[in-house]
Amino acid sequence: GDSVTQMEGPVTLSEEAFLTINCTYTATGYPSLFWYVQYPGEGLQLLLKATKADDKGSNKGFEATYRKETTSFHLEKGSVQVSDSAVYFCALRDYGGATNKLIFGTGTLLAVQP
Amino acid sequence: GAGVSQSPSNKVTEKGKDVELRCDPISGHTALYWYRQSLGQGLEFLIYFQGNSAPDKSGLPSDRFSAERTGGSVSTLTIQRTQQEDSAVYLCASSQTSGRAADTQYFGPGTRLTVL
Repeated sequence: GDSVTQMEGPVTLSEEAFLTINCTYTATGYPSLFWYVQYPGEGLQLLLKATKADDKGSNKGFEATYRKETTSFHLEKGSVQVSDSAVYFCALRDYGGATNKLIFGTGTLLAVQP
Repeated sequence: GAGVSQSPSNKVTEKGKDVELRCDPISGHTALYWYRQSLGQGLEFLIYFQGNSAPDKSGLPSDRFSAERTGGSVSTLTIQRTQQEDSAVYLCASSQTSGRAADTQYFGPGTRLTVL
């Protein structure tokens, strides 16, 4: 079945460091891909998305490119801030099947230190 | 405009009791989803409503779980005879449609359920 695998955390970085959180997926159809973020004490928020191969989603300095050939959607940011500390979830929605659910990775905790 | 709201924000109950969790989706959103976030299982899909179509219940973990959506808006998730393994944060999300172009799901703050 469909699945999402993302790197385990926690990831601890100093402010202004470069961030990469790896995400790979398995899907039977042709999915849309998402990154959601959960800040401490808050609900899930959509960070960015891409709906087809080679699309790049971007928001708040974060980017991720839909790579069909490597089935990946890695999240990157050039210079992280303390305020980026949160849990990041990679997710897919596969339109090949009958359901419309999001399938999530296990989440990666990012801690940015000043 | 208002986002997805859920109530209560926290619920503590005793094992064996029934609980009802409520979700108010964003006005005009035709699709509504319930998910569960727990330490052992991560984020799991529970059930999906789309307009007047029959719901997709494929994620409900047992027949103790049920959900309804009245008038195409508010939804209630009911857990009967709660067990300790039901303890989790229950998340509701809604989206404009189920199609690819406008399918961003907006999540509510969740209801934290603790079963003693």
